[in-house]
Amino acid sequence: AQSVSQHNHHVILSEAASLELGCNYSYGGTVNLFWYVQYPGQHLQLLLKYFSGDPLVKGIKGFEAEFIKSKFSFNLRKPSVQWSDTAEYFCAATSGSARQLTFGSGTQLTVLP
Amino acid sequence: KAGVTQTPRYLIKTRGQQVTLSCSPISGHRSVSWYQQTPGQGLQFLFEYFSETQRNKGNFPGRFSGRQFSNSRSEMNVSTLELGDSALYLCASSLRGQGESPLHFGNGTRLTVT
Repeated sequence: AQSVSQHNHHVILSEAASLELGCNYSYGGTVNLFWYVQYPGQHLQLLLKYFSGDPLVKGIKGFEAEFIKSKFSFNLRKPSVQWSDTAEYFCAATSGSARQLTFGSGTQLTVLP
Repeated sequence: KAGVTQTPRYLIKTRGQQVTLSCSPISGHRSVSWYQQTPGQGLQFLFEYFSETQRNKGNFPGRFSGRQFSNSRSEMNVSTLELGDSALYLCASSLRGQGESPLHFGNGTRLTVT
């Protein structure tokens, strides 16, 4: 079965610290990858996506993610977090044939002012 | 452009009852996906409809069903409610399908089963 793993369930950082959230998927072949974010009291929204091309993708609010095919990973990064980045982050993936989007269990990020 | 609208926002039902949730997608989006979100299980995929046809289905029992109308609006029905069905139910629409274009989520319907 297809799966997406986010190993960090809760991450606590101070403002200005660097962030890296892990995401691993289990499919081989062509994949489409996404990061979604849910700010407190708001609906889920797209942070960034990777379909093909440059494996380093940039999203909104200074976030970026790197697709490493050999490691089946799509880690999310931000060089300097802000208090407003406090949210839950979800990685999601789909294979070209399945067309079903599978979400990871989410990582709660808390940024201390 | 209006976002994804889910109604109602909150529901309280009793075990054994049935419930219908509604979702209006973004105009022009033909795909509607439904997810169950709980603190312990995260986002669990229920089903996806595309142009009135169910295109994908997750691993939920037959008590969970859905449909999509010609105007792309979708409904989800849960029959014979159980306590474990208490969750936030999210609807998301997309232009070409859940794995091929970004999802736009609604605010969800919070279902409590007592």
